Amino acid sequence: NAGVTQTPKFQVLKTGQSMTLQCAQDMNHEYMSWYRQDPGMGLRLIHYSVGAGITDQGEVPNGYNVSRSTTEDFPLRLLSAAPSQTSVYFCASSDTRYYGYTFGSGTRLTVV
Amino acid sequence: GEDVEQSLFLSVREGDSSVINCTYTDSSSTYLYWYKQEPGAGLQLLTYIFSNMDMKQDQRLTVLLNKKDKHLSLRIADTQTGDSAIYFCAESIQYSGGGADGLTFGKGTHLIIQP
Repeated sequence: NAGVTQTPKFQVLKTGQSMTLQCAQDMNHEYMSWYRQDPGMGLRLIHYSVGAGITDQGEVPNGYNVSRSTTEDFPLRLLSAAPSQTSVYFCASSDTRYYGYTFGSGTRLTVV
Repeated sequence: GEDVEQSLFLSVREGDSSVINCTYTDSSSTYLYWYKQEPGAGLQLLTYIFSNMDMKQDQRLTVLLNKKDKHLSLRIADTQTGDSAIYFCAESIQYSGGGADGLTFGKGTHLIIQP
């Protein structure tokens, strides 16, 4: 049982490049979300999904797109990377939304 | 968004109890959580408490909730070197009603264990 799998673990992008951070879970969880963690900060919610085909914005959605075509996958797209998007990105999933979320191990992204 | 406040550092001696404190501002928060993050790792859910509870105990962990003061605490009994980590307090964000669509996190408390 792999849990929440994020790929890649590390990535360096040039300003203006695009990329997709992958997130997959094998627990059949309906609820998934993306967070970013900056030094000295807590995690901040970027986008979330309450099921396949349903996504919505969190606290800091600008510069990011998401889609949820299957229950298992919730990719995060950066259309035109900016240095301000340098961060560690975490994906999380939950089956009930009451008893907490399971987090992936994160993707460390550097935009130069 | 709503703020969750935590002190940044706590230093305790091995074998003592650790008490990590958190204050939150959203009085409508229904669910509150404690997560642990070890270096280079993701977040591990330690425990949660619902707003209709005052206390929850789970082995070495005790969570106390004071809704009037919007204060949450995590007590770790018999602190060990393996407890060294960053501890995050989090409250639920409810956009669509029922459950937590997302979480608002504090900045985390670094727990330092002295031998």
